[in-house]
Amino acid sequence: DAMVIQNPRYQVTQFGKPVTLSCSQTLNHNVMYWYQQKSSQAPKLLFHYYDKDFNNEADTPDNFQSRRPNTSFCFLDIRSPGLGDAAMYLCATSQTSGGPSSYEQYFGPGTRLTVT
Amino acid sequence: GIQVEQSPPDLILQEGANSTLRCNFSDSVNNLQWFHQNPWGQLINLFYIPSGTKQNGRLSATTVATERYSLLYISSSQTTDSGVYFCALNTGGFKTIFGAGTRLFVKA
Repeated sequence: DAMVIQNPRYQVTQFGKPVTLSCSQTLNHNVMYWYQQKSSQAPKLLFHYYDKDFNNEADTPDNFQSRRPNTSFCFLDIRSPGLGDAAMYLCATSQTSGGPSSYEQYFGPGTRLTVT
Repeated sequence: GIQVEQSPPDLILQEGANSTLRCNFSDSVNNLQWFHQNPWGQLINLFYIPSGTKQNGRLSATTVATERYSLLYISSSQTTDSGVYFCALNTGGFKTIFGAGTRLFVKA
């Protein structure tokens, strides 16, 4: 089955130690998104890639970066994690072509990040 | 920006009961999705429904775009329906706004 895969499912990092979360997809979708979801809150969009074009949300901290080396993979880098960055990080994809289902998003299982 | 309100915020049901979850929004939308977030945190697509009515098994959804609301119906609820239900809206571009969610607990 086509899917969105996130690794690892659980990640523990130390305060200030860089960490990378990964996302891959077999859907061949042209857009990939990263969301942050803190406990008991709704997911919040951090940024997205439309093909190779990177788009940052205005309120996404500089501490968060992303890379998309090819269509299938996208990475979230947190340069210096703080305690406030502990959250679930969700990757999503969509195939945006102007058709009826443009922007319909498919989510991976998420990576739960703990910062000690 | 667009405002999204979901109601009720919390809901407790006895297994077998029916329920209606509501999503109100303040602006016209390009698309609307309903998701179920299971206890492990995964967001599962339920419906892509910018307008009209769809059904999938015990679940159905209706969006009345002109009146800016969407409803999710759950019939004959099961314990596995427990979790958080989100509506998410796209008003153009790639920005998707999530409602605060309805937290559902179904008792056996």
